Amino acid sequence: AQSVTQPDIHITVSEGASLELRCNYSYGATPYLFWYVQSPGQGLQLLLKYFSGDTLVQGIKGFEAEFKRSQSSFNLRKPSVHWSDAAEYFCAVGRLGDYKLSFGAGTTVTVRA
Amino acid sequence: GAVVSQHPSRVICKSGTSVKIECRSLDFQATTMFWYRQFPKQSLMLMATSNEGSKATYEQGVEKDKFLINHASLTLSTLTVTSAHPEDSSFYICSASSPLAGAVDNEQFFGPGTRLTVL
Repeated sequence: AQSVTQPDIHITVSEGASLELRCNYSYGATPYLFWYVQSPGQGLQLLLKYFSGDTLVQGIKGFEAEFKRSQSSFNLRKPSVHWSDAAEYFCAVGRLGDYKLSFGAGTTVTVRA
Repeated sequence: GAVVSQHPSRVICKSGTSVKIECRSLDFQATTMFWYRQFPKQSLMLMATSNEGSKATYEQGVEKDKFLINHASLTLSTLTVTSAHPEDSSFYICSASSPLAGAVDNEQFFGPGTRLTVL
């Protein structure tokens, strides 16, 4: 079964600074990888996804993520964070032929002025 | 496109009563819908997967008789929490998936969630 690990429970970053959120997955074949963002009391919004092809994927709100098969990682990055980026971020993995997703525990991002 | 709504957004009920939560795909027909439960500061836990016109598939440990799921049409799924108790208080999120909505493989479109509080 696939699984996802987000090692960082909470990250605090200054506005304008860069952000990187780590995600490691466990899955035997090529995974389908997603990053979602959740604001307090809200549902999940898709930031970006990876299925195949270029390992550097661009998403919404200035986010990007890089798939590294050798490291089983799919880290999310943003060069310059805005106060509105404060939220909970979830990495998720799926597998071919199965609509189910496995979610990581999430990383809370706090942005300080 | 690919908008999923949930109703109500927030519900408070007394212990022992039943609560129904609706999940609708507004601009597409969802072949598959999912129900998740999320405790504070925790991740989403998949409760069940439902396909239109068939019985829901529940994850291990989820009580079928307590969490009734109905997927009567391609745009509506309902989750009924029967005889709710305080421990059922949680944030319930639904999602929908369909290649008709442009979903690629595992992509899911999430609703805004329903906050259930059982007194």
